Amino acid sequence: EDQVTQSPEALRLQEGESSSLNCSYTVSGLRGLFWYRQDPGKGPEFLFTLYSAGEEKEKERLKATLTKKESFLHITAPKPEDSATYLCAVRGTKTSYDKVIFGPGTSLSVIP
Amino acid sequence: NAGVTQTPKFRVLKTGQSMTLLCAQDMNHEYMYWYRQDPGMGLRLIHYSVGEGTTAKGEVPDGYNVSRLKKQNFLLGLESAAPSQTSVYFCASREGTSPLHFGNGTRLTVT
Repeated sequence: EDQVTQSPEALRLQEGESSSLNCSYTVSGLRGLFWYRQDPGKGPEFLFTLYSAGEEKEKERLKATLTKKESFLHITAPKPEDSATYLCAVRGTKTSYDKVIFGPGTSLSVIP
Repeated sequence: NAGVTQTPKFRVLKTGQSMTLLCAQDMNHEYMYWYRQDPGMGLRLIHYSVGEGTTAKGEVPDGYNVSRLKKQNFLLGLESAAPSQTSVYFCASREGTSPLHFGNGTRLTVT
């Protein structure tokens, strides 16, 4: 069964203090690993898609990387506006071709 | 361009009452999804559709029904609401290999 876990559950950083969020996954035939950002009271907003081990994507202070079992979302010199919940999701081929399965998320707070 | 629109935004039901949540998308997407989001549980897939006239069960389908009579609309029904269905419900759509596009959710409370 496809599964996604995320750690830590919550992370509190000082402004400028870089860190990483982890997403561990088990999926039969990865067809895409997705990172989303969710602000309170809003729907998730797409950030990145990664397809194969070794792939990296960057956007402003965020960088997503992928291995065969994990993905990391690296946040460099974060600002208070980066505070949000970050969600990881996967789509596989065999048991969940059309489904997108989400992890529980990491709640990030960046303190000025 | 509205994207994915969910109605209503908020609703309070009494146990046993029924209601329908509406999701409408204007992007001509084939795939549509209903998720529920609960604290500590993340987004869990209720039902989904791979095209007009089709529906399929997700991870937590019990107590819910869906219909996709028109390509742009995906309805989620609760026939007899229970307190365990108190949650925030999100609709999403996608096309091909594109990522999911989400609405802003419906917050449902069942008392």
